[in-house]
Amino acid sequence: EVRLVQSGAEVKKPGESLKISCKASGYSFSFYWIAWLRQTPGKGLEWMGIIYPGDSETRYSPSFQGQVTFSADKSSGTAYLQWSSLQASDTAMYYCARQYCSTGICYNPFDYWGQGTPVTVSS
Amino acid sequence: DIQMTQSPSSLSASVGDRVTITCRASQSVSNFLHWYQQKPGKAPNLLIYAASNLQSGVPSRFNGSGSGTDFTLTISSLQPEDFATYFCQQSSNTPRTFGQGTKVEIK
Repeated sequence: EVRLVQSGAEVKKPGESLKISCKASGYSFSFYWIAWLRQTPGKGLEWMGIIYPGDSETRYSPSFQGQVTFSADKSSGTAYLQWSSLQASDTAMYYCARQYCSTGICYNPFDYWGQGTPVTVSS
Repeated sequence: DIQMTQSPSSLSASVGDRVTITCRASQSVSNFLHWYQQKPGKAPNLLIYAASNLQSGVPSRFNGSGSGTDFTLTISSLQPEDFATYFCQQSSNTPRTFGQGTKVEIK
């Protein structure tokens, strides 16, 4: 059974750093891309970008480039989303999701999702 | 960015009703259009991929159609477990973008 299990809820202050995780199981972690998505009441669902655990290639949405960092650890089957300095506007629910891409072309949907990690940034 | 516009934003329907949700892209996305269902407090769940293909395990009362810029999700006979919010998403261009969602409520 394919599963993506995300780390728990976070409450942080502006300026703090944060790293959340997404642990995959039930499939070959290195051969599927992991997408990160943000959901807020105001902006809805937003695609932040993707990472290929096989070689850690990353592709960021222009809206999130420079604001977050993706990483992956093949040995533990875990993907990470990281901020160096949080802002209140980062308050959201964050999801990881699996995506199959053929020769690096990612037309396929997000077929499995983590349960979400709520992040609250407030002074 | 490709803008995805769903209509309606919400609808009220009864069990057994036929429900149709539309999704329009601001430019052609070919058939790289997918539909998801999201229930409160849960992650989105894939229903339809590539415009018209039913994801494994999804009931056959869900049907997707369309290509280019105009797409439709139809639920042929609404069931109690179908009351949820539905999103379309394009994977033709980067960044991938989603519709704003259509909330299906009980009448």
